[in-house]
Amino acid sequence: QKEVEQDPGPLSVPEGAIVSLNCTYSNSAFQYFMWYRQYSRKGPELLMYTYSSGNKEDGRFTAQVDKSSKYISLFIRDSQPSDSATYLCAMSEGGNKLVFGAGTILRVKS
Amino acid sequence: DVKVTQSSRYLVKRTGEKVFLECVQDMDHENMFWYRQDPGLGLRLIYFSYDVKMKEKGDIPEGYSVSREKKERFSLILESASTNQTSMYLCASSLWEQGIGYTFGSGTRLTVV
Repeated sequence: QKEVEQDPGPLSVPEGAIVSLNCTYSNSAFQYFMWYRQYSRKGPELLMYTYSSGNKEDGRFTAQVDKSSKYISLFIRDSQPSDSATYLCAMSEGGNKLVFGAGTILRVKS
Repeated sequence: DVKVTQSSRYLVKRTGEKVFLECVQDMDHENMFWYRQDPGLGLRLIYFSYDVKMKEKGDIPEGYSVSREKKERFSLILESASTNQTSMYLCASSLWEQGIGYTFGSGTRLTVV
């Protein structure tokens, strides 16, 4: 079993839809939770991060962490074609080593 | 704007060749990393370095080595390239201890034939 599980998609939605991206994990020691966005032929860029449980909002993006269920989510409101990318979840116990999910391909159709 | 620069976007090498992938960062970051990215497997850590001349194995170090002679440069070496090392290679650097704040390069797509 992988330490971090993420549905690879692709997930295809119409413009303006609410998108939900999810990851589950098995290591209860993870404390830092991140979402990276990766456009085609580019490296990943940090989108959001959360420490421990709870919600964090940044514009159209909301990150949620439920440590009791070992489940994290990224919600995108009013999705745009420019949101089309691969979204990677990543987690850390603290220290420098990140564990990444496989990434979900998102396509937002105009 | 801060940058991590990987010297090549695309490389094609023959089986058995020694391959060097170069990465340079201009942010004065202590930490540097090499990952490979494969469909369905996500990013897997090959090696990382906390300081000049220091290196530590990641999850999949077999068949690879690294060199960090200067703070800004971290090189990944494939001693004898094999077809199963065909992949996207990503370099990253970070300053923060918690593992957030990684900055990635644009990647090198290596094909071994």
